[in-house]
Amino acid sequence: DVQLVESGGGLVQAGGSLRLSCTASGLTFTTHWMSWVRQAPGKGLEWVANIKQEGDEKHYVDSVKGRFTISRDNAKKSLYLQMNSLRAEDTAVYYCARDSRSFSGENGFDPWGQGTLVTVSS
Amino acid sequence: EIVMTQSPATLSVSPGGRATLSCRASQSIRNNVAWYQQKYGQAPRLLIYGASTRATGIPARFSGSGSGTEFTLSISSLQSEDFAVYYCQQYNDWPQRLTFGGGTKVEIK
Repeated sequence: DVQLVESGGGLVQAGGSLRLSCTASGLTFTTHWMSWVRQAPGKGLEWVANIKQEGDEKHYVDSVKGRFTISRDNAKKSLYLQMNSLRAEDTAVYYCARDSRSFSGENGFDPWGQGTLVTVSS
Repeated sequence: EIVMTQSPATLSVSPGGRATLSCRASQSIRNNVAWYQQKYGQAPRLLIYGASTRATGIPARFSGSGSGTEFTLSISSLQSEDFAVYYCQQYNDWPQRLTFGGGTKVEIK
């Protein structure tokens, strides 16, 4: 079965930190960029960050720059998101997703994990 | 940042009918757009990439079209499982500044 499984979400106070994890199984992990995408309650999707196959290139949405850090461990087929200085507006379900972009022309986020809820209380 | 605007926000369609969803980009993005379906309480699922190429396993009743700034997702002969929220996403500046539209909810009429 192709799976991405997130963990690490929970309730945290504003200003606090949280580390999310995402573990892959049944799919190629090391050959693809990986992303975090979030969805605030009742809202749309927002791309948060992504990381290159070897971890040597990373990009972030402006609203999390300097506060969030994306990383990966290819040996463990795992993706991480370290979230510091959390704000109420970071409250969301956080999904990890594989970037399916390839030389054969595929594109888009596929597959997605089931998501983990992060709630930041103010 | 490229802004993606979807319309309408909600679309009411009868089962067996046809749905036409629109997505407009704030600047030309060539064909660098993907479409996703999200059912309540579930993760999104990739439907279309490259504006018109169906992802693996996606039924032929889903089709995408457009280029530049105007894009369309069409769903012919709507099935009960197709009632969901649909999002467009651009990757023109990949790997940076990836953005989604606000979504269109397709509901039963």
